[in-house]
Amino acid sequence: DADVTQTPRNRITKTGKRIMLECSQTKGHDRMYWYRQDPGLGLRLIYYSFDVKDINKGEISDGYSVSRQAQAKFSLSLESAIPNQTALYFCATSEGQTSTKETQYFGPGTRLLVL
Amino acid sequence: AQSVSQHNHHVILSEAASLELGCNYSYGGTVNLFWYVQYPGQHLQLLLKYFSGDPLVKGIKGFEAEFIKSKFSFNLRKPSVQWSDTAEYFCAVKVGGRGSYIPTFGRGTSLIVHP
Repeated sequence: DADVTQTPRNRITKTGKRIMLECSQTKGHDRMYWYRQDPGLGLRLIYYSFDVKDINKGEISDGYSVSRQAQAKFSLSLESAIPNQTALYFCATSEGQTSTKETQYFGPGTRLLVL
Repeated sequence: AQSVSQHNHHVILSEAASLELGCNYSYGGTVNLFWYVQYPGQHLQLLLKYFSGDPLVKGIKGFEAEFIKSKFSFNLRKPSVQWSDTAEYFCAVKVGGRGSYIPTFGRGTSLIVHP
């Protein structure tokens, strides 16, 4: 079974709709992240969380919100989707801050299309 | 904040050719450096990382990277590429020694290897 899972894997929605992307992990990691990937722009950080009581904005948090429901779950919401939020969304986890723990482990991604 | 530049956006090679992908960063202090790979239709996974010690780092599948502090570079190399190396490659940089900092990703390099 995959260590980091994302649901749904693909989603089509309409402008103005609220949607939630979910991420779950079985790695026992404290740190979780949401990124979006756009062609030619690489990965850009939306939000990150270092534990269940910690939520931080990334470089492109406008239009998004997150919820860390438990150590294993980190959800990303688009309150009112717009077409330029069409992208591939990745969740990632990492364990902590030593050399063996800072590797990020990525989920399979959610492909979102906003019409 | 640090920035990461990957100068080669698209690279096309024939099998058995040598590969070098450039990665430069802007931060002048201690850094932790990563290369991630994303095979078609798959999630990102770690190729190799540098935290300290020998600046020549060996990763999976025959890849290696050299950290040159004076050049602020961490270029990825492989002496002989295979068709299966077709993928997108991301360089990431994190300020070293600070657990609250998170990696910044480059925009990625798309590699196509012709059989």
